[in-house]
Amino acid sequence: KAGVTQTPRYLIKTRGQQVTLSCSPISGHRSVSWYQQTPGQGLQFLFEYFSETQRNKGNFPGRFSGRQFSNSRSEMNVSTLELGDSALYLCASSPRQLVAGELFFGEGSRLTVL
Amino acid sequence: GQQVMQIPQYQHVQEGEDFTTYCNSSTTLSNIQWYKQRPGGHPVFLIQLVKSGEVKKQKRLTFQFGEAKKNSSLHITATQTTDVGTYFCAGPNSNSGYALNFGKGTSLLVTP
Repeated sequence: KAGVTQTPRYLIKTRGQQVTLSCSPISGHRSVSWYQQTPGQGLQFLFEYFSETQRNKGNFPGRFSGRQFSNSRSEMNVSTLELGDSALYLCASSPRQLVAGELFFGEGSRLTVL
Repeated sequence: GQQVMQIPQYQHVQEGEDFTTYCNSSTTLSNIQWYKQRPGGHPVFLIQLVKSGEVKKQKRLTFQFGEAKKNSSLHITATQTTDVGTYFCAGPNSNSGYALNFGKGTSLLVTP
């Protein structure tokens, strides 16, 4: 089975721009989560989707949004980028439906905001 | 809010020495998971513990879940250079079981 695929792997943006990150989960996994990883804050939960429904959102401003498509692929968007948004954005899929089970992470999208 | 804490933050050992990282949650957990992230890599799932007092082994790695289901530990016997990385524990968020709260991790450096 192919793993979780994230694109793009690296990107550089300037303040005020927006960015869209894409994630293809492992085939058959319907739960997709997004996490932000920074050296200072560690891994922080952004949101989780199951069958196109956002079931939970972390404590991030409204500039962070996401969606999931019928094929379970997911995208996240960050608008009006700030310097502090520089981070590794990790997508993870899970075969579990009812509770947070083991997560299979992609390699991440490393965003640098200048 | 719910917090998951890990100690130590860093650990530097000589190859062959043992290593232990500890994880504590401010709330009772339904399960606890452990992940390993190699430098420049992404977190990789190691194991999930569900039962109170559970102990699981994977070769040189031993995982324990506390009786109160609020703490856990990972012990590595006779470390090898391949053990280098950051080890994270994570538990379901108390407000929403769909999210995981991760500890900040213990970075392990092993020198030959």
